[in-house]
Amino acid sequence: QSALTQPASVSGSPGQSITISCTGSSSDVGSYNYVSWYQQYPGKAPKLMIYEVGNRPSGVPDRFSGSKSGNTASLTISGLQAEDEADYYCISYTSRSSSVVFGGGTKVTVL
Amino acid sequence: QVQLQESGPGLVKPSETLSLTCTVSGGSISSYYWSWIRQPPGKGLEYIGYISYSGGTNYNPSLSSRVTISVDTSKNQFSLKLSSVTAADTAVYYCARLGTRGVPPAILWFGPWGQGTLVSVSS
Repeated sequence: QSALTQPASVSGSPGQSITISCTGSSSDVGSYNYVSWYQQYPGKAPKLMIYEVGNRPSGVPDRFSGSKSGNTASLTISGLQAEDEADYYCISYTSRSSSVVFGGGTKVTVL
Repeated sequence: QVQLQESGPGLVKPSETLSLTCTVSGGSISSYYWSWIRQPPGKGLEYIGYISYSGGTNYNPSLSSRVTISVDTSKNQFSLKLSSVTAADTAVYYCARLGTRGVPPAILWFGPWGQGTLVSVSS
């Protein structure tokens, strides 16, 4: 069982917006703006998409955005495209072990 | 740009020690923290641990009794050893660079990642 809770799957049609939630606790998501999001295609390594809740690395489309409210962080994909079909993981710093906790991953399907 | 490449045996026998090396190219291993993460087939990601360029370490509490991460700055490499392996340790093992802040460090992000290497535990 993962320390951060994500929905197993989320789907949407091309052009729509979807949001993936990532729920933690006051020891991680709730107390630190150190949440990052990763995109992973089958058989490939994860790729950093969002860091420190809402910052995008260079090269990541601005269709990807992140936010946080209380113990829950969210990743929103606007203008969904076929190439966005992948698994997405959230990671947060945690004070419990001074390291990180992972979400279980969410499979995004483009209908 | 920085690139990472994992290397090591793809098959390890039960009860033996898994050993992997991550070679960093396109940049110095100094001034950053470096991590190992694994992913069992068909499952999610699991944090193994990290090491700083100066040798400071942090391990996942669930694996800490079996894990050792070391760094060799002269070779721009860092390594993972996982002892007493079982079939449950079968996974794709990734190395990655960490973004951190403060001392002790808060982990901000993982990136870039190596391509990953599948290690199977079987007799």
